Amino acid sequence: KNQVEQSPQSLIILEGKNCTLQCNYTVSPFSNLRWYKQDTGRGPVSLTIMTFSENTKSNGRYTATLDADTKQSSLHITASQLSDSASYICVVSVYSSASKIIFGSGTRLSIRP
Amino acid sequence: ETGVTQTPRHLVMGMTNKKSLKCEQHLGHNAMYWYKQSAKKPLELMFVYNFKEQTENNSVPSRFSPECPNSSHLFLHLHTLQPEDSALYLCASSQDPGRERSPLHFGNGTRLTVT
Repeated sequence: KNQVEQSPQSLIILEGKNCTLQCNYTVSPFSNLRWYKQDTGRGPVSLTIMTFSENTKSNGRYTATLDADTKQSSLHITASQLSDSASYICVVSVYSSASKIIFGSGTRLSIRP
Repeated sequence: ETGVTQTPRHLVMGMTNKKSLKCEQHLGHNAMYWYKQSAKKPLELMFVYNFKEQTENNSVPSRFSPECPNSSHLFLHLHTLQPEDSALYLCASSQDPGRERSPLHFGNGTRLTVT
């Protein structure tokens, strides 16, 4: 069964600190993996995309990694800011099935001043 | 402004009411989607339209009825809903479902409460 699991479910850190969010997936055949950021009351916005051959992708203070062998991904946030408070959703696409997109339940990140 | 606009932002309706959710995308995309987002659960795909044609109905109850008059507009007609249908309904668009790197662009959703 195609699944995407994220941990932790929620996380609270102090402003300025770093954090890492985890995503494990059992999706086959794998096409790509995206991380989305969803602010409260808003729709998700794509942060990064990685295909099978890419193992690191950065977007400002966000760095995503992908280990296709272990089927794990992480999202690392450096020098967190209050605006980073949001839900972060890991999304994996199934190869050759364009609308077959598997969503994780998300990690709720809260940044405290 | 996200490029995908949803109205209304909030909706409270009784179980016997009929209402419609509207979505409009200004990105020139060919595919549009309806998703349901419930608390602490993954997004659930409801419907997919590609070039105005419905290509996927993810076993959604008939009390939800989609309509896609053109590639820029998508509606979700609601009738005789149940309290468990209360959720955030998200509309999304993409350039082409067949393009591997084509991201989903989401609207800000309609928060639906069924009383």
